[in-house]
Amino acid sequence: EPEVTQTPSHQVTQMGQEVILRCVPISNHLYFYWYRQILGQKVEFLVSFYNNEISEKSEIFDDQFSVERPDGSNFTLKIRSTKLEDSAMYFCASSEPRAGGLGETQYFGPGTRLLVL
Amino acid sequence: KQEVTQIPAALSVPEGENLVLNCSFTDSAIYNLQWFRQDPGKGLTSLLLIQSSQREQTSGRLNASLDKSSGRSTLYIAASQPGDSATYLCAVEGSQGNLIFGKGTKLSVKP
Repeated sequence: EPEVTQTPSHQVTQMGQEVILRCVPISNHLYFYWYRQILGQKVEFLVSFYNNEISEKSEIFDDQFSVERPDGSNFTLKIRSTKLEDSAMYFCASSEPRAGGLGETQYFGPGTRLLVL
Repeated sequence: KQEVTQIPAALSVPEGENLVLNCSFTDSAIYNLQWFRQDPGKGLTSLLLIQSSQREQTSGRLNASLDKSSGRSTLYIAASQPGDSATYLCAVEGSQGNLIFGKGTKLSVKP
């Protein structure tokens, strides 16, 4: 069964460093998302991406964050200058093309655990 | 602003019991509602999706209902097993496609 994959599974970085989290969505999906979950807290939406552009972003997704689909398979989240509070589990998700405006199931990857020291 | 609440926060039951997990949301203008399972330190596994026009969905021992007008959903698990132990998350999808999650119910099924 197709699944969303993410690399790396764990990343430790120093405050102020840039990190790139990578995701390979399910191949026929057209909608891509990043979410994060700080330890012990709710899963929070960061950004959605469709047709090579951001379609929606939350207030968490500030100028330090960016997303890119560099080729036909990868979807990346870049944090330019990491802060301690960026430590969290980051999840990528993807969904199929929407039929008649209805929502489709979002399929999540296993996550990347980011620790900023 | 949409808020999603899940009650109870934790639940412990003996194996074999039927149980109900509750989810409520403040804004009834949703596209769908999704139930997920999260194992410790792991990703989210989608269990069921209910479109806003639907009342319920079933998959195996799981049944999810949706009452959009009252802002409520329930996840019914029949004949619980120790392997069902996990955190169950409810999420609603708004008009922009993003999911808004509750904090989850941590379920423990004792053998």
